[in-house]
Amino acid sequence: AQKVTQAQTEISVVEKEDVTLDCVYETRDTTYYLFWYKQPPSGELVFLIRRNSFDEQNEISGRYSWNFQKSTSSFNFTITASQVVDSAVYFCALSGVDSNYQLIWGAGTKLIIKP
Amino acid sequence: DAGVIQSPRHEVTEMGQEVTLRCKPISGHNSLFWYRQTMMRGLELLIYFNNNVPIDDSGMPEDRFSAKMPNASFSTLKIQPSEPRDSAVYFCASSFGPIEEAFFGQGTRLTVV
Repeated sequence: AQKVTQAQTEISVVEKEDVTLDCVYETRDTTYYLFWYKQPPSGELVFLIRRNSFDEQNEISGRYSWNFQKSTSSFNFTITASQVVDSAVYFCALSGVDSNYQLIWGAGTKLIIKP
Repeated sequence: DAGVIQSPRHEVTEMGQEVTLRCKPISGHNSLFWYRQTMMRGLELLIYFNNNVPIDDSGMPEDRFSAKMPNASFSTLKIQPSEPRDSAVYFCASSFGPIEEAFFGQGTRLTVV
């Protein structure tokens, strides 16, 4: 069965600090997809990134970066020089054949950026 | 494109009443998803359509819930009769396909009193 674990329930940092959100997944699939979504206080879910299992290159988008390591089944998300606007709940999700390509969601990590 | 559009944004209803939530997916997207989010259970997939056909409704909690997609640009989620435990935020999302990233609407916050 597929599973996504976000062990950090809540993280609080001061603005401009770097912060890493952990995501560990379990799957028997050889082909699968990993996602990160952001849910700001306003409530909508915002897509951040999609990664397939064959692409282990790290991704950087502005202050955001993602580290995908199949050896440790992890897909961690780092925000560099955090800003108050980064405060949100961040969800990691997984899909693959084993879930009939439905998204399996982690419980989310609430990130609080203090000014 | 305006994104996924859901209506209403907020709904307060009395127990026993029928509730209908509406969704307009992004034009060109073939897959549509209805999710429910609560503090206790997190995000739950209720039902998934592909090309207007329900593919997986195993997440629909019980017969009180029903969903339709009469065409590619409109879907409804109906709860009849509603109960207080149905109170949640209901999200609609759409994507080009089941393995593609899904884009979410702003959600409908349902309160059943």
